Amino acid sequence: DTEVTQTPKHLVMGMTNKKSLKCEQHMGHRAMYWYKQKAKKPPELMFVYSYEKLSINESVPSRFSPECPNSSLLNLHLHALQPEDSALYLCASSQDRLVSATFGSGTRLTVV
Amino acid sequence: GQQLNQSPQSMFIQEGEDVSMNCTSSSIFNTWLWYKQEPGEGPVLLIALYKAGELTSNGRLTAQFGITRKDSFLNISASIPSDVGIYFCAGSGGTSYGKLTFGQGTILTVHP
Repeated sequence: DTEVTQTPKHLVMGMTNKKSLKCEQHMGHRAMYWYKQKAKKPPELMFVYSYEKLSINESVPSRFSPECPNSSLLNLHLHALQPEDSALYLCASSQDRLVSATFGSGTRLTVV
Repeated sequence: GQQLNQSPQSMFIQEGEDVSMNCTSSSIFNTWLWYKQEPGEGPVLLIALYKAGELTSNGRLTAQFGITRKDSFLNISASIPSDVGIYFCAGSGGTSYGKLTFGQGTILTVHP
């Protein structure tokens, strides 16, 4: 299995809702990442988990809350989002933090 | 933080033409990566470069890691319509330990 699987593929949520994005990989990778991407722009790093511990938080607002329950799973909990948070949210993983990352197909999030 | 300057921003070419794009940085990277992203999908790794001066091919794609470790180029030979997409360079290592720094992307359009 050489894939990073993200669910759901699309999500529409209101500004008062709470939702979660899920990411799963079975490649034995020990680093996992959340990126945010706006249309025709490069991905922007949000969080890095290394060996299930949060190692980098790129000053992301607290309405985004990451969680790494085990080495294969990564969640992103969303609460009280703003319309400007609408974007493609990408999960990625790599063997460690120094090598190339494999990306999932993303979750297209729309905040209304 | 580190920044990558990727050029050109966009290219409109005829099928069969060769394509060249490059990335430069003011600081060094230990790894250079080239990704392609199609609409509605996550970035897909095309080529990874780990040594200064390294020249690597993947089918019609050729990429090089500059000897100063501050630049990289990607060439696509004999373009075909399915080459359409956004190409991103990314660097890791140096002062951006544990995370990828992305270029702004090159939007490639191939006319049949």
